[in-house]
Amino acid sequence: SQQGEEDPQALSIQEGENATMNCSYKTSINNLQWYRQNSGRGLVHLILIRSNEREKHSGRLRVTLDTSKKSSSLLITASRAADTASYFCATDPNTGNQFYFGTGTSLTVIP
Amino acid sequence: GAVVSQHPSWVICKSGTSVKIECRSLDFQATTMFWYRQFPKQSLMLMATSNEGSKATYEQGVEKDKFLINHASLTLSTLTVTSAHPEDSSFYICSVQPPYMGGYTFGSGTRLTVV
Repeated sequence: SQQGEEDPQALSIQEGENATMNCSYKTSINNLQWYRQNSGRGLVHLILIRSNEREKHSGRLRVTLDTSKKSSSLLITASRAADTASYFCATDPNTGNQFYFGTGTSLTVIP
Repeated sequence: GAVVSQHPSWVICKSGTSVKIECRSLDFQATTMFWYRQFPKQSLMLMATSNEGSKATYEQGVEKDKFLINHASLTLSTLTVTSAHPEDSSFYICSVQPPYMGGYTFGSGTRLTVV
């Protein structure tokens, strides 16, 4: 079953702007991960944030996690056309070792 | 880095035939592999968890007799779509959690088209 939902479903911005995507989930988790998927391709792991962390950075990516609200956000700063892709959050629930994806945000960065 | 190889990357088959998709971990052993399906413009849905040496665990609503999973070794899991129908056309992708990573590594996916 789906664990997460993402907001917005689609986002279109100009190159150089920042893009923010949000993810909400339902159950308690061990960690939350963000992935990127180019059209018709496999997924690429971007960043993992553990349940005891509140914020994490990786290059132009900034992820926050609020376990009390069961939500996370992914910020991409200074976006580039090459950032155009779908972005998914995935939660690793603390029961079992499988994990579940959110519905995804389709990001379009206009050159 | 951890590499997962998935084969084939695309396949077209006739209705009623079976298709086998392979997922290999190339530089590490994996006792557990995950199979996902993704319909166009939708998120990935976990289909089943493949366990080396034992039966796969299927998610609710996934027909285990239709989607046969075999995990015969620590580096290979296969998903066989039996008696494929056009509604099985989808993007299938496997993933593995390497032992030294926090995240998961994905195969490149298989686009199945049943005609």
